Amino acid sequence: GAVVSQHPSWVICKSGTSVKIECRSLDFQATTMFWYRQFPKQSLMLMATSNEGSKATYEQGVEKDKFLINHASLTLSTLTVTSAHPEDSSFYICSARSSGITDTQYFGPGTRLTVL
Amino acid sequence: QKEVEQDPGPLSVPEGAIVSLNCTYSNSAFQYFMWYRQYSRKGPELLMYTYSSGNKEDGRFTAQVDKSSKYISLFIRDSQPSDSATYLCAMSAPRSDMRFGAGTRLTVKP
Repeated sequence: GAVVSQHPSWVICKSGTSVKIECRSLDFQATTMFWYRQFPKQSLMLMATSNEGSKATYEQGVEKDKFLINHASLTLSTLTVTSAHPEDSSFYICSARSSGITDTQYFGPGTRLTVL
Repeated sequence: QKEVEQDPGPLSVPEGAIVSLNCTYSNSAFQYFMWYRQYSRKGPELLMYTYSSGNKEDGRFTAQVDKSSKYISLFIRDSQPSDSATYLCAMSAPRSDMRFGAGTRLTVKP
């Protein structure tokens, strides 16, 4: 099946710093990538949808200036959490949608962010 | 009413039991139906994919879609402790974003 990687898998940072998370589709081209946030024992919360070469579409309540998303190529999207605070600590998961017929999303392994 | 409804559980069964997980939905445009399995602190893993109505079997797993009732199911036969995870149903209309259920937490006890 299609493989999506995320890097880093775990990051600890100080409050006020910025953190960049990379999401790559390894064996297919992803015209659309999604970023989710997940709190312990809760379901996925869609943060934003990004299409290659265009600006991301953010869900209501998600600050676009705080969560910067770049989808520069068909295999790479990045999420930058700017001026991180402890309340940003969460599990961030990306997914990529293949441009084929199946219309299925494949998820990355997730990145655990801890802001001290 | 949410587009996709899924009982979050938790659901606890003994090893070897047949597990039935279900979701209902309201959008008749949904054509693609998926089940994902998510272990703790991991990303969701695609388990089953079904297009339109019908059944699909893969080993111990069977996915069923009943579009007339807007109801999908995942059955796990001979459940194992390693099946303990959260199971998410997901569905989408063509070229539209996927909608997820809340996820059902399953524990299979040895």
